[in-house]
Amino acid sequence: DVKVTQSSRYLVKRTGEKVFLECVQDMDHENMFWYRQDPGLGLRLIYFSYDVKMKEKGDIPEGYSVSREKKERFSLILESASTNQTSMYLCASSLRREGYNEQFFGPGTRLTVL
Amino acid sequence: GQNIDQPTEMTATEGAIVQINCTYQTSGFNGLFWYQQHAGEAPTFLSYNVLDGLEEKGRFSSFLSRSKGYSYLLLKELQMKDSASYLCAVRPHGGGNKLTFGTGTQLKVEL
Repeated sequence: DVKVTQSSRYLVKRTGEKVFLECVQDMDHENMFWYRQDPGLGLRLIYFSYDVKMKEKGDIPEGYSVSREKKERFSLILESASTNQTSMYLCASSLRREGYNEQFFGPGTRLTVL
Repeated sequence: GQNIDQPTEMTATEGAIVQINCTYQTSGFNGLFWYQQHAGEAPTFLSYNVLDGLEEKGRFSSFLSRSKGYSYLLLKELQMKDSASYLCAVRPHGGGNKLTFGTGTQLKVEL
């Protein structure tokens, strides 16, 4: 059974704190993605990685950074959390090749920044 | 860039058929995906179209017209458990399997 797990379901942090969101997949996928999901805005891509130590900016990378030191793990970092980063964060993974190749999503982390 | 439009909300009756439309404008196209997302849960994959026509999977079917930038998801024999958000996502050419998502259609199935 394919699996993408995220470190926390719910997280509450204070403005200015450094926040780490962890994602682990057990499918040996090359690609990993971080999205945020907000009402009325849908899923928006923050960063993605197609290989270890490789990363590319998505549509809304400002205020975020990522780390991929191992193939199975992709971390999202909020260097200095702000209230406008309160959101649902979803991690996904997929094989690198295109074609009939869907992304598999983790359960999400609901982050509240006070 | 990508622009994807789908209705915000729809309501349908248990046992009926519902069609959820998705239109897109894209600088390059390499596939369209539909996902289902129940409240508080992760999106799960429903269907994939890259060529024109209809793909059928049980009660769910998805249609694509590339020339019109149009897709729909058809749900037959609606059940209460089909109440969820349905997300349309487009994969651009050469995007390395990145997806751009629409804002989703919230479907409510009523008795």
